[in-house]
Amino acid sequence: QSALTQPASVSGSPGQSITISCTGTNSDVGNYNLVSWYQQHPGKAPKLMIYEVTKRPSGISNRFSGSKSASTASLTLSGLQAEDEADYYCCSYAGTGTSYVFGTGTKVTVL
Amino acid sequence: QVQLQESGPGLVKPSETLSLTCTVSGDSVTTGTYYWSWVRQPPGKGLEWIGYIYYSGTTKYNPSLKSRVTVSVDTSKNQFSLRLRSVTAADTALYYCARLYGDHDYFDYWGQGTLVAVSS
Repeated sequence: QSALTQPASVSGSPGQSITISCTGTNSDVGNYNLVSWYQQHPGKAPKLMIYEVTKRPSGISNRFSGSKSASTASLTLSGLQAEDEADYYCCSYAGTGTSYVFGTGTKVTVL
Repeated sequence: QVQLQESGPGLVKPSETLSLTCTVSGDSVTTGTYYWSWVRQPPGKGLEWIGYIYYSGTTKYNPSLKSRVTVSVDTSKNQFSLRLRSVTAADTALYYCARLYGDHDYFDYWGQGTLVAVSS
């Protein structure tokens, strides 16, 4: 099972919106609405930002939103802020055999 | 507040066994719907799911590591553990324990991670 494909880096200016893609296959992203997104600041543990493609956990800003089309999931950060600068990883359930696969990770830079 | 804390040796010799323990506080490992997981991250690289255990003892492992991995649980100590056999330099990584919400398949609580280096 290969890692889900994410762009290595995405950047934007404060206040702008950016979107991070996460491309999988019909065995994972395309077959289940069980994509989650994690934010990881340097030296810190990952933090859950989105689950089940579009849902936000309590306490997560509504500037973060998720979507999915076919085998590609996306995370959109609106009103970009300096504190959003971090690495972001997607993760998908991939069935009873493989179970869970993470994305390759995207470094978000706020210009 | 749920907290997870990894512990174990920071250095393991090649061909030996890596052993880590995760101590859970603020929740019980016997709570239904949660699966207690291990995830690793090689330096400068992405996340890789290793495996999980349910309190009943049911386990599931990443197929790429399945032949070398064992995850176990000690309900009396509210801990779960990872053993990875026959390690090589490629197993050098930051190892996280995490709580997986099984009904919705996401990792909601993570430990701070512990770095394990494989070197002679």
